[in-house]
Amino acid sequence: QQQVKQSPQSLIVQKGGISIINCAYENTAFDYFPWYQQFPGKGPALLIAIRPDVSEKKEGRFTISFNKSAKQFSLHIMDSQPGDSATYFCAASTGNQFYFGTGTSLTVIP
Amino acid sequence: NAGVTQTPKFQVLKTGQSMTLQCAQDMNHNSMYWYRQDPGMGLRLIYYSASEGTTDKGEVPNGYNVSRLNKREFSLRLESAAPSQTSVYFCASSRVNEKLFFGSGTQLSVL
Repeated sequence: QQQVKQSPQSLIVQKGGISIINCAYENTAFDYFPWYQQFPGKGPALLIAIRPDVSEKKEGRFTISFNKSAKQFSLHIMDSQPGDSATYFCAASTGNQFYFGTGTSLTVIP
Repeated sequence: NAGVTQTPKFQVLKTGQSMTLQCAQDMNHNSMYWYRQDPGMGLRLIYYSASEGTTDKGEVPNGYNVSRLNKREFSLRLESAAPSQTSVYFCASSRVNEKLFFGSGTQLSVL
């Protein structure tokens, strides 16, 4: 059973556009929601994270929107660049248990 | 700082062979993890260790064993490799409920 559901599986965006990736969870015990970025041949690296006491967190061009009542959170990449082309994973955790979504392959076309 | 170091980077095994994947971290983290990554499946937790001397099963532990040798090192052993264990394996470490730091991965093929 997938603890965290992620969509879409793949995404193609024009340079300068907005990329949006969505995730949903069921377990209300989750209290930490990170997003990871992975380039080919590399390990995932933390991009941005949020805790459920806030509804939005912004770091540069990257924003997490968090809807606690709907148990959903999303990543918005503003002014998407070709260098943002990578696979993105959402995750949810409580304590030592991290659960990952299935990933979204983002391609930004110049 | 090296962060999380995994060895080897690539490995090819025949069905039934055994091997150990090594992982070490230099960030003084208590928690360490082993994940496998398969296309369309995301990252799935094999085993984790909340602290030195403890290990717990994750989502997909069958066919694997782990050892938390000390605070720095956490190894993953395949006793009798199967083709279904062909995957990319990642080690990670963290403080409790904080971000995971991942190694660069081990690409394993079991023929």
